[in-house]
Amino acid sequence: QITLKESGPTLVKPTQTLTLTCTFSGFSLSTSGVGVGWIRQPPGKALEWLALIYWDDDKRYSPSLKSRLTITKDTSKNQVVLTMTNMDPVDTATYYCAHTGIAAAGGAFDIWGQGTMVTVSS
Amino acid sequence: QSVLTQPPSASGTPGQRVTISCSGSSSNIGSNTVNWYQQLPGTAPKLLIYSNNQRPSGVPDRFSGSKSGTSASLAISGLQSEDEADYYCAAWDDSLNGDNYVFGTGTKVTVL
Repeated sequence: QITLKESGPTLVKPTQTLTLTCTFSGFSLSTSGVGVGWIRQPPGKALEWLALIYWDDDKRYSPSLKSRLTITKDTSKNQVVLTMTNMDPVDTATYYCAHTGIAAAGGAFDIWGQGTMVTVSS
Repeated sequence: QSVLTQPPSASGTPGQRVTISCSGSSSNIGSNTVNWYQQLPGTAPKLLIYSNNQRPSGVPDRFSGSKSGTSASLAISGLQSEDEADYYCAAWDDSLNGDNYVFGTGTKVTVL
């Protein structure tokens, strides 16, 4: 059974750097075809994809946020970390991590974490 | 902002068929497969359809997806009260700036 859980601060100040951790179980990020992505959702708004890291350390970023994002993995700890610099109140959102697998669901995000709400305010 | 356009809302009575459209372009739906996600109130999204028309294990066959050109559709037949949720289409976009996984604007389905 695959599970993912996001963790990190619930409140950050403007201009600070946000660091979120996705801790997962039920799969290995060293298995070919597997990846973990981050998606966010501002209150009452649509989903927005942020970043994705694959088993081979291939990394993809949202073009509009690429300059602010860094995604890394720690295979031994079953964790994926996302950092976002220069936080702004418009970055207030629920942040989700999700599993993807080319073999499992054609590369879609098939299993999601419960999400963690991050508020940006001074 | 979202590059995949969906109607903001759709509704139907129990047992009816509801269809949600998703309009994109040649760089996303036109050249990549479409996925659909269901988000029940207060919960995380759930994968409903992948690769245009494939259902993950456990998803009822009342849900079906299709794609034609630069548009896609999700159909819910035999609408049930538990289908009341937000629905999002998504696809990879092969933009000049690099790969971008884009979501639709979302459609709220109401069961009357």
